[in-house]
Amino acid sequence: ETGVTQTPRHLVMGMTNKKSLKCEQHLGHNAMYWYKQSAKKPLELMFVYSLEERVENNSVPSRFSPECPNSSHLFLHLHTLQPEDSALYLCASSQVHFIAGGGYEQYFGPGTRLTVT
Amino acid sequence: GENVEQHPSTLSVQEGDSAVIKCTYSDSASNYFPWYKQELGKRPQLIIDIRSNVGEKKDQRIAVTLNKTAKHFSLHITETQPEDSAVYFCAASVPLGNMLTFGGGTRLMVKP
Repeated sequence: ETGVTQTPRHLVMGMTNKKSLKCEQHLGHNAMYWYKQSAKKPLELMFVYSLEERVENNSVPSRFSPECPNSSHLFLHLHTLQPEDSALYLCASSQVHFIAGGGYEQYFGPGTRLTVT
Repeated sequence: GENVEQHPSTLSVQEGDSAVIKCTYSDSASNYFPWYKQELGKRPQLIIDIRSNVGEKKDQRIAVTLNKTAKHFSLHITETQPEDSAVYFCAASVPLGNMLTFGGGTRLMVKP
């Protein structure tokens, strides 16, 4: 596998279920991101991990819980979701150089289409 | 925090015509401005980017201009082709952390 992969590609869950989304990057990057894409807000940053430390939590409800066990893997744990959480969840990765500052291409995965019933 | 506005939300052009998409940003510290293209059912992919120390950048039929004083940047596509049809997103990030704030997207339709 090359680039950024995500599993599952499609997920249907009830509001009382617990599920997890998985992202893996094969690019040797040191930062990973979760985005939510919906008709209402096309590309909304949720979480950022840099060197496996969470550096941004963009006012995301606690029913979304990220985990970054190493620089290649990122998870999004889901529990007691609401129907309005139905969306495409995109993972991305990039290289970040802390001395030089930001400004590096983010590579996106194919996304997980989540439907909450 | 940063706020990025993008216009128009939809744009329809005839094949061969030019297309221009405009974005404004709010944080004067932003220094990196990428443009992503997302075809239907596919992931967003970077098509061009510009940094704040440059006013213009061109790559074949695609160009981006940046006006730091006015805090706006634009994407220009010349000689449009049907395969240019997609949703285009602009974004901005400040130096720390490479965190992108995206605009609302522009759906470009190129009619053959």
